Amino acid sequence: NAGVTQTPKFQVLKTGQSMTLQCAQDMNHNSMYWYRQDPGMGLRLIYYSASEGTTDKGEVPNGYNVSRLNKREFSLRLESAAPSQTSVYFCASASGLAGAGYEQYFGPGTRLTVT
Amino acid sequence: AQSVTQLGSHVSVSEGALVLLRCNYSSSVPPYLFWYVQYPNQGLQLLLKYTSAATLVKGINGFEAEFKKSETSFHLTKPSAHMSDAAEYFCAHRDEKLTFGTGTRLTIIP
Repeated sequence: NAGVTQTPKFQVLKTGQSMTLQCAQDMNHNSMYWYRQDPGMGLRLIYYSASEGTTDKGEVPNGYNVSRLNKREFSLRLESAAPSQTSVYFCASASGLAGAGYEQYFGPGTRLTVT
Repeated sequence: AQSVTQLGSHVSVSEGALVLLRCNYSSSVPPYLFWYVQYPNQGLQLLLKYTSAATLVKGINGFEAEFKKSETSFHLTKPSAHMSDAAEYFCAHRDEKLTFGTGTRLTIIP
């Protein structure tokens, strides 16, 4: 099993450009998450999807949109990239919500630089 | 708001020495608590989790953590550090979602 996969691994954007980060999991998990990781700040939740067809905002949703395309795939879109969105982005999935103690499995990350 | 606090953004220990990484949580309800490890240029991997079944939790790679309600702590320990333990470690606390601490970078001195 591949677990959680993310594409691309690296990306450089100019301010104002748009792009979509892709995430897929093959573990039949119900919930999926997008985090950003910045030095000294740990991981911060951007959006999550508790189940297919639902999405909810996390701690830092501004400037992002998400789509839960199906049970396997959860994409993150930057409509107009800004330098403040330079970060490492992680996708994660879990059988259920963190509130029930389910372990989250993480992808390898996408390193995004906005110039 | 529920949160976790990791004391020490950088910790250095000698190879073979005790590893102690500190995590305190704030919660008004019994928590689920997790420790994750991140090796360079990789995603996060679960080390162990506390779900109220036992206060001493054993994880992978020889790590363990003890839940102490009176101290609202969930410190991570390993009796003898190995060079391969060099990584960043995150404590996380559950509510509807996981809330992560800011991380502790562990350096092992040969």
